[in-house]
Amino acid sequence: DAKTTQPPSMDCAEGRAANLPCNHSTISGNEYVYWYRQIHSQGPQYIIHGLKNNETNEMASLIITEDRKSSTLILPHATLRDTAVYYCIVSRIYNQGGKLIFGQGTELSVKP
Amino acid sequence: GAGVSQSPSNKVTEKGKDVELRCDPISGHTALYWYRQSLGQGLEFLIYFQGNSAPDKSGLPSDRFSAERTGGSVSTLTIQRTQQEDSAVYLCASSPRTGERADTQYFGPGTRLTVL
Repeated sequence: DAKTTQPPSMDCAEGRAANLPCNHSTISGNEYVYWYRQIHSQGPQYIIHGLKNNETNEMASLIITEDRKSSTLILPHATLRDTAVYYCIVSRIYNQGGKLIFGQGTELSVKP
Repeated sequence: GAGVSQSPSNKVTEKGKDVELRCDPISGHTALYWYRQSLGQGLEFLIYFQGNSAPDKSGLPSDRFSAERTGGSVSTLTIQRTQQEDSAVYLCASSPRTGERADTQYFGPGTRLTVL
């Protein structure tokens, strides 16, 4: 599975949009981009995933560049409850074993 | 609907004892995964089940670690002769393997294991 690169930490003001970048320059054509987050002392929580097109759900938006080498997770109106570690993971479609390879993620702090 | 549940939530044991950790996946999810997260470390894959079979055990750190799954549902992770370095949060996840979110993994709250 392709490796990802994320900034170790970011701050965001409450109510503003949080834009979390991820580089995955070695991504293959059959790999999805997944985003999970882990709030302190909880299990990881699925946020969103995409292959080529931009995606939006009730939690976030995912913008994937045309060459698919990077993506941005957007939390449109960050709240204090969005403070968490955010993981960007690339994973093959119906991949062997199904395992997720977690990096260090981005620690997002939403401040009042 | 019910999510992934794990028990116990906390386990304190003495070095050398055996422990069993339990995972109840989301009903109907055929895939089940175990991960662990040591203090200050990232999440580390341990083992993957599809049904009752474990096609990928590559993350189990030693032969003291084993896992089984019965009835395509509940899974037990067993650690024999526990060592202090086994102290971690053990996380279980399940995924449906069909449909739009076939490979989306849904995680339980974890079991915090402390080996004294």
